[in-house]
Amino acid sequence: QVQLVESGGGVVQPGRSLRLSCVASGFTFTNYAVHWVRQAPGKGLEWVAVTSYDGSNKYYADSVKGRFTISRDNSKNTLFLQMNSLRVEDTAIYYCARAYSSNLNNWFDPWGQGTLVTVSS
Amino acid sequence: EIVMTQSPATLSVSPGERATLSCRASRSISTNLAWYQQERGQAPRLLIYGASARAAGIPARFSGSGSGTEFTLTISSLQSEDSAVYYCQQYNDWPPYTFGQGTKLEI
Repeated sequence: QVQLVESGGGVVQPGRSLRLSCVASGFTFTNYAVHWVRQAPGKGLEWVAVTSYDGSNKYYADSVKGRFTISRDNSKNTLFLQMNSLRVEDTAIYYCARAYSSNLNNWFDPWGQGTLVTVSS
Repeated sequence: EIVMTQSPATLSVSPGERATLSCRASRSISTNLAWYQQERGQAPRLLIYGASARAAGIPARFSGSGSGTEFTLTISSLQSEDSAVYYCQQYNDWPPYTFGQGTKLEI
């Protein structure tokens, strides 16, 4: 079945870096755009970044622009989120979510189970 | 940036009754709207896309309507397992893709 599995979360000090991964299975990864979405504890959903199916186009939320980098390795069916200069307010569960198609003008389905990132001194 | 506003923040309804959740966009998004359900401790799940199309495996008691700036998610014959937070999301004008703040549905 279609599945997305995130990993790489943990506790990190402010200013440090962390790299998240999302491994896809059950579908042809290279045919789809993929997103990162986060959810701070007890809060709503916030879109973070998206990469097109081939990695040629990437877009970011203003809150992470210049600090986070989204990338993908289609040979390994894996999505990444490199997070630098982390702030306390980056603390959240980070979900990867597949776009409906290669088109970026689409909804998100399915979602992974998420990985928790805690930024604290 | 398009701002999505959901109402009410919390809705309490009895089993078997109908729930109506609203979502408003700050400007027209045509029908480029999705609804997600997030049960406690779980990842969001797609319910509705294109404002009114049900996702695969979603029961018929979930229905969506609206276009432009006003949208509604209706859940008929409520069941206890429908207790969750529901989010609307626009994908018409991006980046950023934006979500409403959520409606907590209590059964």
